[in-house]
Amino acid sequence: EAEVAQSPRYKITEKSQAVAFWCDPISGHATLYWYRQILGQGPELLVQFQDESVVDDSQLPKDRFSAERLKGVDSTLKIQPAELGDSAMYLCASSFGETQYFGPGTRLLVL
Amino acid sequence: KQEVTQIPAALSVPEGENLVLNCSFTDSAIYNLQWFRQDPGKGLTSLLLIQSSQREQTSGRLNASLDKSSGRSTLYIAASQPGDSATYLCAVEDSNYQLIWGAGTKLIIKP
Repeated sequence: EAEVAQSPRYKITEKSQAVAFWCDPISGHATLYWYRQILGQGPELLVQFQDESVVDDSQLPKDRFSAERLKGVDSTLKIQPAELGDSAMYLCASSFGETQYFGPGTRLLVL
Repeated sequence: KQEVTQIPAALSVPEGENLVLNCSFTDSAIYNLQWFRQDPGKGLTSLLLIQSSQREQTSGRLNASLDKSSGRSTLYIAASQPGDSATYLCAVEDSNYQLIWGAGTKLIIKP
């Protein structure tokens, strides 16, 4: 069964460093989402792509976060510089219709 | 602004019991409501999706209901098993086709 792939699974970094997360959606899924989930809370949408175009990035802290999906397939989310408050699970999801399929996530710890 | 609330935040029950998880939302203008499962440190798995025109959906031991007018949904789990232990999140799809999430109910099934 096709799955959404994410790497790395875990990342520990020091504040002010740069980090990057990668997501490979299910083949054929045009829509890709990046979410941030703080422990004990529901996911918060950071950015939504339709193919290579950004549909919504209203909740993305653009002073430090960037996201791209250059060829409309895989995607990278970058944080520079990382802050202590960025410690969270970063989830990627893809969809072809109504149902979103989630990857395993990247757990980020900023020290 | 749509808000989704899940009560209780945590629930512990003995194995074999039937149980109900609750989800409420403030704006009845939704396209669908979904229930997800999240195991510790993992991504999310979609369990059930109820269209706004539907009243319930069933999958195995799970049954989800939707009352749009009152802004409520329930997830019924029959004959609970230790393997059902996880966090259960509900999410509504709003008029912008985005998911608005509850914070989840952490369920523990005691053997």
